[in-house]
Amino acid sequence: DAGVIQSPRHEVTEMGQEVTLRCKPISGHNSLFWYRQTMMRGLELLIYFNNNVPIDDSGMPEDRFSAKMPNASFSTLKIQPSEPRDSAVYFCASSYTGGSQPQHFGDGTRLSIL
Amino acid sequence: TQLLEQSPQFLSIQEGENLTVYCNSSSVFSSLQWYRQEPGEGPVLLVTVVTGGEVKKLKRLTFQFGDARKDSSLHITAAQPGDTGLYLCAGERSNYQLIWGAGTKLIIKP
Repeated sequence: DAGVIQSPRHEVTEMGQEVTLRCKPISGHNSLFWYRQTMMRGLELLIYFNNNVPIDDSGMPEDRFSAKMPNASFSTLKIQPSEPRDSAVYFCASSYTGGSQPQHFGDGTRLSIL
Repeated sequence: TQLLEQSPQFLSIQEGENLTVYCNSSSVFSSLQWYRQEPGEGPVLLVTVVTGGEVKKLKRLTFQFGDARKDSSLHITAAQPGDTGLYLCAGERSNYQLIWGAGTKLIIKP
């Protein structure tokens, strides 16, 4: 079975540019999560969708970040304009809704903002 | 505020040795999950513990959930180089919210 698919795997761009990260969750999963991982702060939840609806976006750093889930099989995380401090590995994860459900992670997008 | 403290942050030992990783909190969790992450990949679930005092074994890995459901430990017996990775604990606070520890980076030297 296909796991969570993220693209691109690596992105290097100059500050000020728009960055779009993409995620295809596991078919049938109705919860989707976007995380950011850095050495300093570890794994941070950015936003949580349930049945394509954003439920918790309290982790989104600022207005430069936005996320959408137009349908059950696709989500995007956009940063505009990007800044060097946005450099991190961004993960998408999906799961079934409900207690104790494991989250299945993609392999991440390593983002470098120069 | 770090709600879930993991220790040690880094551990480098020889193949064949035993080790324990700890995950502690002042908060009660409905369940606790352990993940392992390898370089260039996302975390992968190892085990979920739900009941206070629960012990689960996965080959040479033993996971325990504290009686009060505030802490957990992971013990590895006779560590092997294949156990190398970043071990993350995550406590469940609600139907979706996981509180993540900072991780323990484990290196097993042949």
